Amino acid sequence: GAVVSQHPSWVICKSGTSVKIECRSLDFQATTMFWYRQFPKQSLMLMATSNEGSKATYEQGVEKDKFLINHASLTLSTLTVTSAHPEDSSFYICSAMRQGRGYEQYFGPGTRLTVT
Amino acid sequence: LAKTTQPISMDSYEGQEVNITCSHNNIATNDYITWYQQFPSQGPRFIIQGYKTKVTNEVASLFIPADRKSSTLSLPRVSLSDTAVYYCLVGDNNAGNMLTFGGGTRLMVKP
Repeated sequence: GAVVSQHPSWVICKSGTSVKIECRSLDFQATTMFWYRQFPKQSLMLMATSNEGSKATYEQGVEKDKFLINHASLTLSTLTVTSAHPEDSSFYICSAMRQGRGYEQYFGPGTRLTVT
Repeated sequence: LAKTTQPISMDSYEGQEVNITCSHNNIATNDYITWYQQFPSQGPRFIIQGYKTKVTNEVASLFIPADRKSSTLSLPRVSLSDTAVYYCLVGDNNAGNMLTFGGGTRLMVKP
């Protein structure tokens, strides 16, 4: 149990276009999901916290108008990278928090975004 | 948020036991300690979580001393497939603030 999926697993887009990445919790409900970004050889950096039915909370330095997050249901959160630029090329990872014994955060497989 | 410090990298050989220590000097009373494993181009995978003393599951053990200012992840008899980056995170379960990844430890298992 506790499986999180992401779609697509990789995407290549042209500079100036927008890309949507989906994060789904397949077998549990997630009131809270998180979006991370990871550059090569670096650690994960939290971008934003997504709560079902409310606006996302963005970390300092993350542009909310560029990285649009929607958490419309208890099993789906989406991240849209608007007007993508080559510097947005990165590995985007989502995670979902499962309430239970202890703090359990389950990660998706990640989405590799390449902006040309 | 409690900050964590881990060795940047470690080398080991197949069949050996590997211990990775994480320092978290300003851990708070309500904080739990969680370890994740990450392979290249994949999301992190939960390994183990603990609050104090010792926790063991089918893949690892977690040792936490009484002062809780550090923790040690123990991987018994590693194999080549254990080559990965290991992250320790510290945070409050209820506050949901276990979200800050440190640099992690890059473990290389050699044949």
